This record gives sequence, C-alpha cells and structure tokens, in this order.
Amino acid sequence: QLQLQESGPGLVKPSETLSLTCTVSGDSISSRSHYWDWIRQPPGKGLEWVGYIYYTGSTYYNPSLKNRVTISVDTSKNQFSLKLSSVNAADTAVYYCARQLGLQSNKRALDIWGQGTMVVVSS
Amino acid sequence: EIVLTQSPGTLSLSPGERATLSCRASQTVSITYLAWYQQKVGQAPRLLIYDASIRATGVPDRFSVSGSGPDFSLTISRVEPEDSAVYYCHQYGSSPFTFGQGTKLEIK
Repeated sequence: QLQLQESGPGLVKPSETLSLTCTVSGDSISSRSHYWDWIRQPPGKGLEWVGYIYYTGSTYYNPSLKNRVTISVDTSKNQFSLKLSSVNAADTAVYYCARQLGLQSNKRALDIWGQGTMVVVSS
Repeated sequence: EIVLTQSPGTLSLSPGERATLSCRASQTVSITYLAWYQQKVGQAPRLLIYDASIRATGVPDRFSVSGSGPDFSLTISRVEPEDSAVYYCHQYGSSPFTFGQGTKLEIK
C-alpha cells in the first residue's frame, strides 16, 4: 500500500532554513508515472501549493515562494525533500507531501497524501 | 494565477439534506482540471473527485460535480454525519496550481 511520510524538525528559527523529507513506500519515485508535490497549510487556514518534482529532478515552484524554495529527489532512498530558506512566522504551517495521480494534464490531482508535519517558526 | 473562490464559507445541514458547494474561478478553467478534496479535523485532505467526474477509490456516488468555467459545484445528494469536514476545490490546469479557501460543512 502506497504511503508517504514527512519527517523533519518541528521548530525552526526565523531566518534559518526549513528542511523536510518525504519518504515514499509502496511505490517507486522512479516509476516515471507521477509528479511529487509539497503543499502547506497554516494553522486554521487553507491549502497552499508549494511545488513539485519529477524523478529526473525537474521542478516547478509556486512563484510566491520561488526564490526561497528548493525541492530535490533522492531516487536511491525513494525520497524527495523540501528546503525553504529565510523562514519567518508566516511559514508556520502543516507541511504535506503528496503524489500527483498521473502525468497527463487531466490526471494531476493529488491522490495520495502524507499525514503532514507541523513546522513552527519561532526563536 | 487562477484564484478559486468558494462559497458559502460554512454550510449547516441536517442528515439526508442536499449540499451544494460552489467554486468560482477567476479565469477560464476546464472542469477536466478541477478536483475536490475533503479534509476532516486533524487529517490530511482526501481526494474526492477529479477529471470532471471521476470519483477516487472508495468515494460514494452521493458525491458529484457539475459546472463549466468559471462556476463549478460539488453536490452531496444526501449528507451523512461522516461528511462533516472542510471541502476544497483545486485547479491543476494552470501553473501555479491553486486551491480555494474551503467550505466547512457542518452536520446538525
């Protein structure tokens, strides 16, 4: 059964870099059939799409975060990661990793989600 | 960026009633590139419907979508207590992908 699991520090200081990893089990990131996404949700608020990566390393980021965000992939570990630099309180959120259902333009809904991990930005 | 505006903010219904949740896009979006998610308290979002009308695995046929750009609707034909959640629309036809702000469905 496909599962995604986020991991990383739950507390990050302002101006530092947030780093999270998503471990995929039950499927291969290198299967060539999916994009892999990060989405975040501030406390009590809605969802914000952060970006996605393909197993080749090709990425697309939300322009609102583009200068601060980096998504990378490690196919040997079946993981993909998120780095967000120069964080501030507005980056406090639950961060989810998720899988796009397929590569076709009509199949890019997010069908599998991790449970999410809460990251607080505070000194 | 396509902005999705959902209404109402909160919907309160009794079991067995019909729920209609709306999602309006700021630019043209095909229903083919629209998805709906259900998020219960403390849980990750769950994909309900995508690609116009395809229900994700395990989603009952009480859930359906309709509409054409810019106005779309998610309909729950007869709400049940377990439908209590926040519902989000999501467009993936134009980058950056975006979500609506959510509609909270309360079951009395």
